[in-house]
Amino acid sequence: GESVGLHLPTLSVQEGDNSIINCAYSNSASDYFIWYKQESGKGPQFIIDIRSNMDKRQGQRVTVLLNKTVKHLSLQIAATQPGDSAVYFCADATGTASKLTFGTGTRLQVTL
Amino acid sequence: DTGVSQDPRHKITKRGQNVTFRCDPISEHNRLYWYRQTLGQGPEFLTYFQNEAQLEKSRLLSDRFSAERPKGSFSTLEIQRTEQGDSAMYLCASSFSDNYGYTFGSGTRLTVV
Repeated sequence: GESVGLHLPTLSVQEGDNSIINCAYSNSASDYFIWYKQESGKGPQFIIDIRSNMDKRQGQRVTVLLNKTVKHLSLQIAATQPGDSAVYFCADATGTASKLTFGTGTRLQVTL
Repeated sequence: DTGVSQDPRHKITKRGQNVTFRCDPISEHNRLYWYRQTLGQGPEFLTYFQNEAQLEKSRLLSDRFSAERPKGSFSTLEIQRTEQGDSAMYLCASSFSDNYGYTFGSGTRLTVV
């Protein structure tokens, strides 16, 4: 079936730098996208979401960009902190469907 | 109510045994979801409930798996005759209807030996 995937399995950034985590999705019918952060031993934690009628949405230190033309989603984290170290997942959903389809995750490592 | 609670946090069982996990969602949430996550992978959808009704089941949910939410509050996930391939993290999440911003619990890690 169609799935959401990630380009980079591991991303290493220095503290204070900006991080960009990328995600490609394959289901052209997807109209909702979401980013989760998962720390070791914990469940995924909601970060930010975006609907397909938008191409950018900002939160606190995070921005999600959606390019429907190339089916690409990215998460930008400003001024990355050690507490941002985790695995980040993108996921998508379609219409009134309730299930999310997750990608395999990108590990973000923040170096001092 | 501080979030979604799952019990137990860890379970080690012998192959062939039955196991049951419990999830207590956020009390105001009417939707409850079960996902399974293996190491290095994203969570995979198993099933979800709206109130007490089980509305969708994944093909991943074989006949050995059954989930219930008898009173529209807590839910249980039972795996009968466990196999080594069942070893995974089982995640529960809850939300309001039509809100994909689920709140996940910390999961139950199952190890089948």
